[in-house]
Amino acid sequence: QVQLQESGPGLVQPSGTLSLTCTVSGGSTSSYHWSWIRQPPGKGLEWIGYIHYSGRTDHNPSLKSRVAISIDTSNNQFSLKLTSVTAADTAMYYCARDPYSGAAGFDYWGQGALVTVSS
Amino acid sequence: EIVLTQSPGTLSLSPGERATLSCRASQIFSSSYFAWYQQKPGQAPRLLIFGASNRATGIPDRFSGSASGTDFTLTISRLEPEDFAVYYCQQYGTSPPMYTFGQGTKLEIK
Repeated sequence: QVQLQESGPGLVQPSGTLSLTCTVSGGSTSSYHWSWIRQPPGKGLEWIGYIHYSGRTDHNPSLKSRVAISIDTSNNQFSLKLTSVTAADTAMYYCARDPYSGAAGFDYWGQGALVTVSS
Repeated sequence: EIVLTQSPGTLSLSPGERATLSCRASQIFSSSYFAWYQQKPGQAPRLLIFGASNRATGIPDRFSGSASGTDFTLTISRLEPEDFAVYYCQQYGTSPPMYTFGQGTKLEIK
């Protein structure tokens, strides 16, 4: 059974950098696309970006160039960095797997990590 | 960028009733890249339907999906108490490559 687990600081200062890591167990990051998705409190879902196991990335244009996603296949992890954060970046952050380039949905999700941007 | 609009925003029904949730896309795209999710409070979303009409592993057959042009429908044939949740539609587009979610439909007990 594939499991994903987010980890990282729960509190980030405004204008700082949000950093999260997703650890995959029961499966390998040497296949598929791996995404970050967030959900502000009481609101809907927003895709942040993904990384392919080859290292290719894409991200939501609405986040401009603030997003960086990397992968460490040797440790079965992938990571998110979001720079210049504001209160609007406060959200539950999920990592998720896309096994078929958009044609099979996100089949496995982490439980989520709540990140609050506040001084 | 494709925009997905879900309706209604809230649907109030009783257990045993039939639920019909809608998602309309701003432009046509391949239904192969369309999915539905269920989210309960405090939980991550769960994949229900992919490719517009294929049930994900372990999803009961009371859940079904269909597509017609830019209109997508999730039907729950007979509501069980555990089905009351928020439902999201989602599509994957290739130009630019990105995933988009609808704003959600809350299915509540009447």
